[in-house]
Amino acid sequence: DAGVTQSPTHLIKTRGQQVTLRCSPKSGHDTVSWYQQALGQGPQFIFQYYEEEERQRGNFPDRFSGHQFPNYSSELNVNALLLGDSALYLCASSLMRQGYQETQYFGPGTRLLVL
Amino acid sequence: DAKTTQPNSMESNEEEPVHLPCNHSTISGTDYIHWYRQLPSQGPEYVIHGLTSNVNNRMASLAIAEDRKSSTLILHRATLRDAAVYYCILRDWSGYSTLTFGKGTMLLVSP
Repeated sequence: DAGVTQSPTHLIKTRGQQVTLRCSPKSGHDTVSWYQQALGQGPQFIFQYYEEEERQRGNFPDRFSGHQFPNYSSELNVNALLLGDSALYLCASSLMRQGYQETQYFGPGTRLLVL
Repeated sequence: DAKTTQPNSMESNEEEPVHLPCNHSTISGTDYIHWYRQLPSQGPEYVIHGLTSNVNNRMASLAIAEDRKSSTLILHRATLRDAAVYYCILRDWSGYSTLTFGKGTMLLVSP
């Protein structure tokens, strides 16, 4: 089992550009969540996808958008990049089962630097 | 999600037990207590979770206060590989809730 994989591992962009990050969930998982982790801070929830729809969203602007594909993989898109978007972007996968405290499995993250 | 309070950092010696505290005085009756940890240059990983009773697994033990307003993650014999940031997180009963991370406790382990 490959676990959660993310690509690319590192990325450098300039202000105003757009970026797409990718995530493949752990085998058997159907839910993908994205988190942003600034240096020295805990991860902050961006949004969660299940059945190809955004189910929950954190306090992030519309510049952050996503997509989930039929094979459960997911993309995170950020438009009009700002310097403050520089962070580690983490993808977590899980299985959606009501009433269960399902574990979220995290990937290694994509380190984004905006210049 | 209710908030948790953890010390910024703690130190331990290798092969000694470590007790990582977490306060969650506003916890609701149906909130579960989860612990995740983040090793350097890695994503967070699940450690343990519980509701009311103490819990044990191969990684750690979780001791929950009788009033549930605090809990303690116990590493029975710390190793250098346990050096990480440990996050105490509350999740509602549905399991649908996402993880709300604080700053966590950075555990330093000395040989």
